[in-house]
Amino acid sequence: TQTVSQSDAHVTVFEGDSVELRCNYSYGGSIYLSWYIQHHGRGLQFLLKYYSGNPVVQGVNGFKAEFSKSDSSFHLRKASVHWSDSAVYFCAVSAGGYQNFYFGKGTSLTVIP
Amino acid sequence: EAAVTQSPRSKVAVTGGKVTLSCHQTNNHDYMYWYRQDTGHGLRLIHYSYVADSTEKGDIPDGYKASRPSQENFSLILELASLSQTAVYFCASSNWGAETLYFGSGTRLTVL
Repeated sequence: TQTVSQSDAHVTVFEGDSVELRCNYSYGGSIYLSWYIQHHGRGLQFLLKYYSGNPVVQGVNGFKAEFSKSDSSFHLRKASVHWSDSAVYFCAVSAGGYQNFYFGKGTSLTVIP
Repeated sequence: EAAVTQSPRSKVAVTGGKVTLSCHQTNNHDYMYWYRQDTGHGLRLIHYSYVADSTEKGDIPDGYKASRPSQENFSLILELASLSQTAVYFCASSNWGAETLYFGSGTRLTVL
């Protein structure tokens, strides 16, 4: 059974701070890891994904994530957040192809201007 | 840009009534999905389809049916709506090998 765990339900930071949103997964095979962002009242939007190669992947708007096989993690980071980054962030894992994407419960990020 | 359109944006239904949620994509994607979002539960897959006229069960299919009459359209049907089906429903599409989901804006369903 694939599981995705996002340990922080809520994170609050000030504008200009750095932030790390944590994601740990449990899966036995080759996987795709991805992050999605959901602004209030909107659908989810793709941020970035990892499958192989360089464990650090760059996404849009200055976001990046780092894969660690030893820790079974795929944490999302941003060096300097903006108030518009306030949203809910979801980590997801998929085996590829048409296989199901399994989502974490989400982390709500609040950026105080 | 990829586009997935859901209708209606919100709906109030009565217990025992029939509800149909519609989804239309202009991405030319083969795969379409219906997810349910509940507070504190993330997203859970209800049904999906990888070709027209065929649907597959996801992780929580009970109480739901799906229909894919064409590549562009994918519907979710609640034959007998129940209070427990109050949630936000998202449709998404993707293509084989892309490993990226494109979501609609969601339908907020309230069953009274």
